Amino acid sequence: DTEVTQTPKHLVMGMTNKKSLKCEQHMGHRAMYWYKQKAKKPPELMFVYSYEKLSINESVPSRFSPECPNSSLLNLHLHALQPEDSALYLCASRLGQGGGEQFFGPGTRLTVL
Amino acid sequence: KQEVTQIPAALSVPEGENLVLNCSFTDSAIYNLQWFRQDPGKGLTSLLLIQSSQREQTSGRLNASLDKSSGRSTLYIAASQPGDSATYLCAVDFDGGTSYGKLTFGQGTILTVHP
Repeated sequence: DTEVTQTPKHLVMGMTNKKSLKCEQHMGHRAMYWYKQKAKKPPELMFVYSYEKLSINESVPSRFSPECPNSSLLNLHLHALQPEDSALYLCASRLGQGGGEQFFGPGTRLTVL
Repeated sequence: KQEVTQIPAALSVPEGENLVLNCSFTDSAIYNLQWFRQDPGKGLTSLLLIQSSQREQTSGRLNASLDKSSGRSTLYIAASQPGDSATYLCAVDFDGGTSYGKLTFGQGTILTVHP
């Protein structure tokens, strides 16, 4: 099973709301990723978790707060977002350090009003 | 700066043609290179992963090659079908010494295969 699941599929939120995106995998992968993708652009890396520890933060604004409660689950907490944050948010995972194939989830389409 | 470039940006071919998508990268020190396809509004589907020590990988009608010395990879699609229509993305995991799997993506090639 090479599946990464993401919920919700779609999310509409106001600039004062707090919401969370969820990502889950049961492949035993120990590296998990959040990417942001704007229309007609490639994905841009936001965060990397390796063995449940935040390893890379690509200078993402603090209104995005990642969390990795366990090796199968990755959350992205959203607060006080701006309309320009509207995008497709993609989660990915891979086995661990040292290379390997990344598997992506279907994404959450976020619209900020 | 480590960059990935894909040519062409868009490609339209009749069904049945063999085609080649190109990817170039600026730094030959890489861990691996991965090809993905993305359908509109969907996530990325992994097609092929080539490790830095490999020259090519094959899966069905797809063949990907890697030439680190020249900083190039090609994705060959044989006997194209309308279902192959999608955006194809090349992504490089550059060897930064940490191997956290940070992928740098090209801008993609939009492929249309018409019947």
